[in-house]
Amino acid sequence: KAGVTQTPRYLIKTRGQQVTLSCSPISGHRSVSWYQQTPGQGLQFLFEYFSETQRNKGNFPGRFSGRQFSNSRSEMNVSTLELGDSALYLCASSPNSRGTGSEQYFGPGTRLTVT
Amino acid sequence: GENVEQHPSTLSVQEGDSAVIKCTYSDSASNYFPWYKQELGKRPQLIIDIRSNVGEKKDQRIAVTLNKTAKHFSLHITETQPEDSAVYFCAATLIQGAQKLVFGQGTRLTINP
Repeated sequence: KAGVTQTPRYLIKTRGQQVTLSCSPISGHRSVSWYQQTPGQGLQFLFEYFSETQRNKGNFPGRFSGRQFSNSRSEMNVSTLELGDSALYLCASSPNSRGTGSEQYFGPGTRLTVT
Repeated sequence: GENVEQHPSTLSVQEGDSAVIKCTYSDSASNYFPWYKQELGKRPQLIIDIRSNVGEKKDQRIAVTLNKTAKHFSLHITETQPEDSAVYFCAATLIQGAQKLVFGQGTRLTINP
């Protein structure tokens, strides 16, 4: 099976803009989670989607949102970008309904730089 | 709180020696504890995991132990090889409130030939 894919791989935006990142999970996986990775804060959970519904959410402001489509592909959106949003955004899919309570398969990430 | 503490932050061992990384968690209801390996510029990859109903799990040179009473778990790598050099992350699924996977800060492991 093909692995988790993310597009785009690199993105440069300016403060105040918004951005949409895309994630395609492994075929058959219905749980998709998003994480932010930075050198200072490490890996932080953003949210998890399962069967088109947001099931869990981390401690991020409302500027961070997401959605999942019927084919399990997921997008996350960040509005009114801030310099501190510069990070590697990783999505991960999981093969069973436990989602974050089971093995996660990560995509390569989208490197977002905010200037 | 929602904490997973990981130690040490860096670890350097001679090839062939063992490496041990330790983590503690705060939520006594946590029930799933994975370990991920991330090589430079690559995605995190699951190397081993353990559930709260098991005390120890082994896969070739890698083992994980869990002490639920003390709320800590450890990764053990034996007979280390240069390709084991990477950043290792522990994680715990926190149940209180919204279920989420919380990661430790990572351990940079360097294997010296």
